Amino acid sequence: AQSVAQPEDQVNVAEGNPLTVKCTYSVSGNPYLFWYVQYPNRGLQFLLKYITGDNLVKGSYGFEAEFNKSQTSFHLKKPSALVSDSALYFCAVREADSWGKFQFGAGTQVVVTP
Amino acid sequence: NAGVTQTPKFQVLKTGQSMTLQCAQDMNHNSMYWYRQDPGMGLRLIYYSASEGTTDKGEVPNGYNVSRLNKREFSLRLESAAPSQTSVYFCASTPTPPGLAGSTDTQYFGPGTRLTVL
Repeated sequence: AQSVAQPEDQVNVAEGNPLTVKCTYSVSGNPYLFWYVQYPNRGLQFLLKYITGDNLVKGSYGFEAEFNKSQTSFHLKKPSALVSDSALYFCAVREADSWGKFQFGAGTQVVVTP
Repeated sequence: NAGVTQTPKFQVLKTGQSMTLQCAQDMNHNSMYWYRQDPGMGLRLIYYSASEGTTDKGEVPNGYNVSRLNKREFSLRLESAAPSQTSVYFCASTPTPPGLAGSTDTQYFGPGTRLTVL
């Protein structure tokens, strides 16, 4: 079975400071990992993914994430947060051999204050 | 391209009523999905369709049925709505079918349908 944990319901950060949103996962085989962002009253938008290769993945809007196999983590980071980054962030995983069956985390609300 | 569209945007039902949520994509994607989003629980997969003509159960299929009408359209039906089905429903699609090299499952989501069952 696969699972995803986002340990923080909300992350508060001042504009210009680094932003980190945490995600840990559990799968039996190799993981495919994703981050999505949801703005109010909108559907989810893809940010970045890890399939294979470099552990540091760069995505949209200046976000990046680091795959850490030993810690089973895939934390989302941004060096300098913007007020417009305030949104709900979801981590998702699926096992490489379990096509179609994604597991989403509960989501982390990011609040960036001016 | 409109991407993934969903109708209706909002719906209020009484317990026991039925309805169908519609989803269509114009990106020529092969695979489509239905999720529900509940506070504190993230997105949970209801059903998915790997390709036209196939459907499979996800994590929470009970109380729902789906139809992959053609490559573009994937509908979700509630035969007898219950208050526990109050949720926001999202449709999504992915471009590549399973098993192909390079299949990476980036999902494209619709704007959602907010359903309330009284």
